[in-house]
Amino acid sequence: QTVVTQEPSLTVSPGGTVTLTCASSTGAVTSGYYPNWFQQKPGQAPRALIYSTSNKHSWTPARFSGSLLGGKAALTLSGVQPEDEAEYYCLLYYGGAQLFGGGTKLTVL
Amino acid sequence: EVQLVESGGGLVQPGGSLRLSCAASGFTFSSYAMSWVRQTPGKGLEWVSAISGSGGTTYYADSLKGRITISRDNSKNTLYLQMNSLRAEDTAVYYCAKGTSRGTYYNLDYWGQGTLVTVSS
Repeated sequence: QTVVTQEPSLTVSPGGTVTLTCASSTGAVTSGYYPNWFQQKPGQAPRALIYSTSNKHSWTPARFSGSLLGGKAALTLSGVQPEDEAEYYCLLYYGGAQLFGGGTKLTVL
Repeated sequence: EVQLVESGGGLVQPGGSLRLSCAASGFTFSSYAMSWVRQTPGKGLEWVSAISGSGGTTYYADSLKGRITISRDNSKNTLYLQMNSLRAEDTAVYYCAKGTSRGTYYNLDYWGQGTLVTVSS
């Protein structure tokens, strides 16, 4: 059974930089997994941030960026704002089905 | 403005069936793949199913294959999810989400607000 793994929780100071990662139990994540990243705040629907590894949607703040890092998909937040406190999910494509990671709860403190 | 509005959720008994709908507006519906994603209360997201813009190609999560059917009516700008043999573990908020192109269901952009399905006796 394939599993997508994210850090359960991370803490960052306002103005700081943090990188969230997304790993696949099948091996290294490549661009062919078309990594997507989503932000979800309590009581809200998920909001798309990044698609196909590093592409931003028109509404994605510039401080969010996506990449591949050490065999994983990565989401980097630079200059973190208090409103970035949320749950973040990655989504990977497996040639038919897709799988979400378990989510990373990002605390801005 | 892109809008996705899910409906059809509610309370259903174990073993029952339910059809969810997602009404789309603000874009050319038939030009985009669509997906269903669910979220168990207090837990993470689970990809459920996807369908191409034409409706000719469908994809399902292995864990749900055989119990669900995704479909769409492009004349009504509506996406559907038929769920059968429902179990308690199917209790979740079900979201529809729009793909970024006709065949590209694996990149998602807009999401609806979700509809709650509760499976309980």
